[in-house]
Amino acid sequence: EAGVVQSPRYKIIEKKQPVAFWCNPISGHNTLYWYLQNLGQGPELLIRYENEEAVDDSQLPKDRFSAERLKGVDSTLKIQPAELGDSAVYLCASSLDPSGSNEQFFGPGTRLTVL
Amino acid sequence: AQSVTQPDIHITVSEGASLELRCNYSYGATPYLFWYVQSPGQGLQLLLKYFSGDTLVQGIKGFEAEFKRSQSSFNLRKPSVHWSDAAEYFCAGFWGNKLVFGAGTILRVKS
Repeated sequence: EAGVVQSPRYKIIEKKQPVAFWCNPISGHNTLYWYLQNLGQGPELLIRYENEEAVDDSQLPKDRFSAERLKGVDSTLKIQPAELGDSAVYLCASSLDPSGSNEQFFGPGTRLTVL
Repeated sequence: AQSVTQPDIHITVSEGASLELRCNYSYGATPYLFWYVQSPGQGLQLLLKYFSGDTLVQGIKGFEAEFKRSQSSFNLRKPSVHWSDAAEYFCAGFWGNKLVFGAGTILRVKS
């Protein structure tokens, strides 16, 4: 069974440019998460989806970040415009449900470098 | 806010030696507790988890962890470290539908 797929794996852009990350969760997983991992830190939740509904986006900087999961399967996270401080790894994860008793499976992440 | 603390940023152990990585969670309701491992360029992989019951939990790759309520701790152990265990290890607690991670401990294994 395929795991969580993310693309691209690496992205280098100049500041003020837009960027988008794509995630395809494990088949049948209704819950999808986007995390931000800064260098030397643990992942921090940006947004959680239950099917196509964003049920927790309290940590998403909405002035420049947006996300969608239109058909309740794959998801896209966008930054526009990117800032130097956005350089980090963006992780996608999925689980059967949000209860915590079901494991979150993580993708390999997208490493973003903003110049 | 709920938090998870991993006091050691780096740990170096000799191959074959025992390992203990420390993890403490903030006071309050006991969360579900997890240990993940992250190798370079890889996603996080779950090593083990604690929900309730037996306070000593066994995981994959020969790892185990012990939950101590009195110390708000969930330390990860391995009796004999292999060179392939070199990676970054994250402790996490689950509160209110949210997984909260510690800052991680980088394990180096010397031969």
